Amino acid sequence: DIQLTQSPSFLSTSVGDRVTITCRASQGISTYINWYQQKPGKAPKLLIYGASTLRSGVPSRFSGSGSGTEFTLTISSLQPEDFATYYCQHVNSLPITFGQGTRLEIK
Amino acid sequence: EVQLVDSGGGLVQPGGSLRLSCVASGFTFSDHYMDWVRQAPGKGLEWVGRIRNKTRSYSTDYASSVKGRFTISRDDSKNSLYLQMNSLETEDTAMYYCTRAPIVGSRTQFDFWGQGTLVTVSS
Repeated sequence: DIQLTQSPSFLSTSVGDRVTITCRASQGISTYINWYQQKPGKAPKLLIYGASTLRSGVPSRFSGSGSGTEFTLTISSLQPEDFATYYCQHVNSLPITFGQGTRLEIK
Repeated sequence: EVQLVDSGGGLVQPGGSLRLSCVASGFTFSDHYMDWVRQAPGKGLEWVGRIRNKTRSYSTDYASSVKGRFTISRDDSKNSLYLQMNSLETEDTAMYYCTRAPIVGSRTQFDFWGQGTLVTVSS
């Protein structure tokens, strides 16, 4: 199975900050990576697919990059509604796996 | 508007069974692959399994943690997805989400999710 390791696991940050979350895969997965946002008590929401394609309706402050084994999700200027947990997901092969999550908290 | 509504969760004893349902609306359900994802309390997301569409013979795949105990099925005439869970273990306690998994080219993503239904396995 392909393992995904996200870093950091937790980040205390402020409105207006630029945030980068990294997701490393245990083997090369081209650009078969998606990113999700989850708020407490809610289902996850798709943000980015194919490593860098922003889902329609998602604010442009979110961006994704990377290929192979290293990927990043960047939020250019954090807004209050962005404080949540973020997960990467690989869809290179089955079984699909998720990273362990990165929780963003207000400093 | 695409909508997925999960139901069927509850409290069940270890070794017991439960059947979850997911009713879809707002899209052509029969065209799509559908997946189940679960999340144990306070933990991350875990893929449970997939059922493909009629074109792909309704074939299924499962995570190793549930293979042989869980069965995914669908009824396209009712726009419904099911997860039959047998031989439940305490480790199966989680919120269960159904998700739509469109295949775009050779890629997929979980673009719509149900609200989740909570399964608690406890004596």
